[in-house]
Amino acid sequence: DTGVSQDPRHKITKRGQNVTFRCDPISEHNRLYWYRQTLGQGPEFLTYFQNEAQLEKSRLLSDRFSAERPKGSFSTLEIQRTEQGDSAMYLCASSPRTDTQYFGPGTRLTVL
Amino acid sequence: GQQLNQSPQSMFIQEGEDVSMNCTSSSIFNTWLWYKQDPGEGPVLLIALYKAGELTSNGRLTAQFGITRKDSFLNISASIPSDVGIYFCAGPVSGSARQLTFGSGTQLTVLP
Repeated sequence: DTGVSQDPRHKITKRGQNVTFRCDPISEHNRLYWYRQTLGQGPEFLTYFQNEAQLEKSRLLSDRFSAERPKGSFSTLEIQRTEQGDSAMYLCASSPRTDTQYFGPGTRLTVL
Repeated sequence: GQQLNQSPQSMFIQEGEDVSMNCTSSSIFNTWLWYKQDPGEGPVLLIALYKAGELTSNGRLTAQFGITRKDSFLNISASIPSDVGIYFCAGPVSGSARQLTFGSGTQLTVLP
């Protein structure tokens, strides 16, 4: 299966710690998206990469959040000084040059 | 903004029954996507619609792109227990990133 993969699937951390998540998109997809999803809600857009360029960031992406896609392949999302409000499912999606996005299984973050 | 109103919020049906859910917006969408999400997993793409009036099937699932481009419908025929989950409609927000905006989801429960 060559779908979108994410690592880790679950992360439990203490408030104030830094965490980093990884996303490996479908290999031929040049677009990569990060979303956040809280319980009972649909996913909300965080940021978008086209190849290695980060072209758009949501207002949801505070200064504590940073994302990279250094070689236009995998991407990382780092959260610094985590807060309890950061607890959510973090989803990565990729797409070819269309609007159809394919999601990974997500990383469930719990901040204690 | 481009918001999607999804209904019903939840449904309880008997196994074997047909299901219908819909999604509406005050804005025009050029693509409609339907996803299914199981607990603890990422959304899985079910059907993608690209043209007004388009009717597309995927097994027991059928979705339609409304003529006005402001709505879409998803039907599931002869429901089975594995149809349980949350169904989301989604569409790309106009702009460069084409990030998806999601409806609030329809929680489907199939009773034996």
